[in-house]
Amino acid sequence: TQLLEQSPQFLSIQEGENLTVYCNSSSVFSSLQWYRQEPGEGPVLLVTVVTGGEVKKLKRLTFQFGDARKDSSLHITAAQPGDTGLYLCAGAYDYKLSFGAGTTVTVRA
Amino acid sequence: NAGVTQTPKFRILKIGQSMTLQCTQDMNHNYMYWYRQDPGMGLKLIYYSVGAGITDKGEVPNGYNVSRSTTEDFPLRLELAAPSQTSVYFCASSYSSPLGRGVNTEAFFGQGTRLTVV
Repeated sequence: TQLLEQSPQFLSIQEGENLTVYCNSSSVFSSLQWYRQEPGEGPVLLVTVVTGGEVKKLKRLTFQFGDARKDSSLHITAAQPGDTGLYLCAGAYDYKLSFGAGTTVTVRA
Repeated sequence: NAGVTQTPKFRILKIGQSMTLQCTQDMNHNYMYWYRQDPGMGLKLIYYSVGAGITDKGEVPNGYNVSRSTTEDFPLRLELAAPSQTSVYFCASSYSSPLGRGVNTEAFFGQGTRLTVV
């Protein structure tokens, strides 16, 4: 059973379009992290959200933490082919860092 | 600036063989993790360690063992390899507990070991 549910599983869009990836749970987290993974590499941290309702921006990426700290979203504006990759959300329970199944994003030129 | 180093990068094992996946980090991190990644399944936690001499099971520990004799090293042992253990294995480390509210909680990952059991 996945503690963190990500949707959609796959997303294929044209360059210049916007996209949103969701990460949901029934559990409350002290923080949530978003990672991006490229083929053949390990995941790399994009952002950590800590406060309920928090919004963080990283260039064209906007991350939001739900008010109840159970869910998060990642929005990419004007996607580019370089945004292609696997996007993973992660949350901690006990001392374990648990990951969602990921969303594979493909941006077509 | 090595970070987290995993060896080997690729390995083919026969059913019933055993092997050790090596992981070392040079960042003086207390927390270390082993994950496996199967296609479309994200990362599943196998074992983790909160410091030298302390290890605990994650979500999918069966068929694996770990040890943490030093802060730097966290090897993963596979005994009696089975086809179900075919996967990509990632080692990761972080300075602080992931329960910490965003301070030094980033997990740094190695490049992975692609293991095939035939």
